[in-house]
Amino acid sequence: GAGVSQSPSNKVTEKGKDVELRCDPISGHTALYWYRQSLGQGLEFLIYFQGNSAPDKSGLPSDRFSAERTGGSVSTLTIQRTQQEDSAVYLCASSRALNQPQHFGDGTRLSIL
Amino acid sequence: TQLLEQSPQFLSIQEGENLTVYCNSSSVFSSLQWYRQEPGEGPVLLVTVVTGGEVKKLKRLTFQFGDARKDSSLHITAAQPGDTGLYLCAGVENFNKFYFGSGTKLNVKP
Repeated sequence: GAGVSQSPSNKVTEKGKDVELRCDPISGHTALYWYRQSLGQGLEFLIYFQGNSAPDKSGLPSDRFSAERTGGSVSTLTIQRTQQEDSAVYLCASSRALNQPQHFGDGTRLSIL
Repeated sequence: TQLLEQSPQFLSIQEGENLTVYCNSSSVFSSLQWYRQEPGEGPVLLVTVVTGGEVKKLKRLTFQFGDARKDSSLHITAAQPGDTGLYLCAGVENFNKFYFGSGTKLNVKP
């Protein structure tokens, strides 16, 4: 399809394991965003990319979180040594450029046991 | 600290009623966006307001941006069950940072 694609859609893992979440933005979109949403709550902004560059990483909750984007396209969000409080839906969005409308994927529901 | 406060948090109304959702902040934003999100899906953009005092209409939905660009409201006329969902406002700072409110969960009963 032509929308933002996230994988996996669901991930269940044990506390302490590392997880990698993937986002395929809409082709041609230069800006990419990662958010975290707890059950029924608003979105917590984590990080954005303009091209392959992430100018501001201050939104990442801890140093266990990292994100990268290569080739101006696919992005991965990695959480190391997962904790139960990391359980949430992780949403990715892309836009044609900064300040343009964002298009969201359906998210990855992460559950830490 | 929540940069954007939305009210009410929950709203359950009968089909045909009118409602207003508020989004308030002490910060000034370059623009403000409203989204609707359904369970298991990502938010979908409804509207972006940019100019203080701006009013935009989308069928039965009316969006207003406060004169000082710190607050916004969403008014729905004659609500329908298809309007049910989580409504989120997002303030845009410096054109590259998005601050979302905690959302208003709307349930429209037939």
